[in-house]
Amino acid sequence: AQTVTQSQPEMSVQEAETVTLSCTYDTSESDYYLFWYKQPPSRQMILVIRQEAYKQQNATENRFSVNFQKAAKSFSLKISDSQLGDAAMYFCAYRSHNSGTYKYIFGTGTRLKVLA
Amino acid sequence: NAGVTQTPKFRVLKTGQSMTLLCAQDMNHEYMYWYRQDPGMGLRLIHYSVGEGTTAKGEVPDGYNVSRLKKQNFLLGLESAAPSQTSVYFCASSYPELSVVFGPGTRLTVL
Repeated sequence: AQTVTQSQPEMSVQEAETVTLSCTYDTSESDYYLFWYKQPPSRQMILVIRQEAYKQQNATENRFSVNFQKAAKSFSLKISDSQLGDAAMYFCAYRSHNSGTYKYIFGTGTRLKVLA
Repeated sequence: NAGVTQTPKFRVLKTGQSMTLLCAQDMNHEYMYWYRQDPGMGLRLIHYSVGEGTTAKGEVPDGYNVSRLKKQNFLLGLESAAPSQTSVYFCASSYPELSVVFGPGTRLTVL
């Protein structure tokens, strides 16, 4: 069975600085999707970024980028120029690409604090 | 589009009471999911559905039942609520190749 591990329960970053959130996963599959979701105090889950495993190029969305290391099964999220609005819980998630496997598996989350 | 909506947003139950949480999506998504979120445990899958009329068990299905009679709706039932079911419940939906979209969540407290 697949697992997703976020080993940092909490992280802090100074406003305008850069922070990296870690995520590792375990799978025997070769084709899958990886995601980062943000959950602000409003509780709404918001998609931050998505990576297809077959793509070697790391995904980027404005100030958010990932470092996808397939062999190491690592999928870290880098937030550049951190803003107060980035403060939230961040969840890493995995989903198989295999037909018939539709479940998303989430890590336990990392709470990010942004210091003014 | 409203996306994914959940009813109610908050609920307090007494032990042994029953209730149904309603999830609706207007994006014509095939797949729908119910997750529970507890501190330090992330999101855990309760049940999911891959199409109208289908349901399947997730990671933590005990004490819950679901139904998907219409493609746009996915109901989560608690037959006899227990304090261990105090949690925040999220409904979500997706197409096969797209990212999952979440509802706003329901905070349930069982006394």
